[in-house]
Amino acid sequence: ETAVFQTPNYHVTQVGNEVSFNCKQTLGHDTMYWYKQDSKKLLKIMFSYNNKQLIVNETVPRRFSPQSSDKAHLNLRIKSVEPEDSAVYLCASSYRGRDTQYFGPGTRLLVL
Amino acid sequence: SQLAEENSWALSVHEGESVTVNCSYKTSITALQWYRQKSGKGPAQLILIRSNEREKRNGRLRATLDTSSQSSSLSITATRCEDTAVYFCATDYGSSGNKLIFGIGTLLSVKP
Repeated sequence: ETAVFQTPNYHVTQVGNEVSFNCKQTLGHDTMYWYKQDSKKLLKIMFSYNNKQLIVNETVPRRFSPQSSDKAHLNLRIKSVEPEDSAVYLCASSYRGRDTQYFGPGTRLLVL
Repeated sequence: SQLAEENSWALSVHEGESVTVNCSYKTSITALQWYRQKSGKGPAQLILIRSNEREKRNGRLRATLDTSSQSSSLSITATRCEDTAVYFCATDYGSSGNKLIFGIGTLLSVKP
């Protein structure tokens, strides 16, 4: 049963455009994450928010910016996308930033 | 660099057979998790095994943890076609929490 929702499922855009992905969790968790998964299935954390505050910010290009309105929502904006941004972006949540993380189905981005 | 990695890129078995996926890690951990990702879905946790545990079971799944050799294994007995997925091990950064490092994943194919 899905409890972490992501939109859109799939997005195609051109180099230089801006895109925004949404994530919502209904689990009552206080920590949310964004991961990037490349074509080889390699999964890397990008950001982590706890109660609307950024607590993990891996080395990602500045064109990526997370946005949190409340602890149930964490969006990801990419300004001026580049071809290497093509990937699946996965949102996850957990309680108190530990242990089990619950993932959404992902947003697949294709940059032409 | 990867702090956790599975030891095989891909495995293939026939239904009913048993299979083991291995994982090694390079830092001290508080827990190690096994996740499974089916095609088009986000990863889902299968088992969490803490550093003071040596074995954990979940139905047909059995995880072991050897902190002396910094390795873990996930065994699946009586495999089914629906076990076909990518299997990841993931570790924390010890006490820091909030960040999981995922291995590169092992693609398991279960054939009829």
